[in-house]
Amino acid sequence: QSALTQPASVSGSPGQSITISCTGTSSDVGGFNYVSWFQQHPGKAPKLLIYDVTDRPSGVSNRFSGSKSGNTASLTISGLQAEDEADYYCSSYTRSFTYVFGTGTRVTVL
Amino acid sequence: QVQLVQSGAEVKKPGASVKVSCTASGYTFINYYIHWVRQAPGQGLEYMGILYPSGGRTSYAQKFQGRLTMTRDTSTSTVYMELGSLRSEDTAVYYCAREPSETYRFDYWGQGTLVIVSS
Repeated sequence: QSALTQPASVSGSPGQSITISCTGTSSDVGGFNYVSWFQQHPGKAPKLLIYDVTDRPSGVSNRFSGSKSGNTASLTISGLQAEDEADYYCSSYTRSFTYVFGTGTRVTVL
Repeated sequence: QVQLVQSGAEVKKPGASVKVSCTASGYTFINYYIHWVRQAPGQGLEYMGILYPSGGRTSYAQKFQGRLTMTRDTSTSTVYMELGSLRSEDTAVYYCAREPSETYRFDYWGQGTLVIVSS
């Protein structure tokens, strides 16, 4: 199972919006609406931001939103803030009854 | 509050085994699946497998089959992950994560356990 493809880095200025893509195949991202997004600060455990492509857990800012088109899922961060500087990972359930993560994206706030 | 508390860091020699624990609190243990995910230094997340606490059934990613074993102790709400035949590439932080049954999301994570494999 190959990792989902994400851009290595994305940057933006405070207040701007950025989008991170997550590309898989019809056996994972394209085949199920079970895409999640996680935020990970250095030395910390991942934190669930988005699940089921578009849903946010209680307590997660509505500045984070998810979408999907075909085999590609996307995470958009609106109103970028300094605290959003972190690594972001997507994940998807797969046809092999397992999960696969994305390669990870480092977000830098300029 | 929901907590997953993992055991402390380990240093192992190549060829040895390591057993990491994940103790759950703040919720009904058997109603939530436990997954294990690892992260090598400076690398991304890698999925390892799942344990279903109610019956103890497991399913492992193909890469780890044959040297990965997950078990649980319902009396202490603890899940164990044992990885054998360790090699240097197994040096990583190992995380447990909780999934509300059949929801396909990892909503709470343990703090991580660093395992170093070195001769």
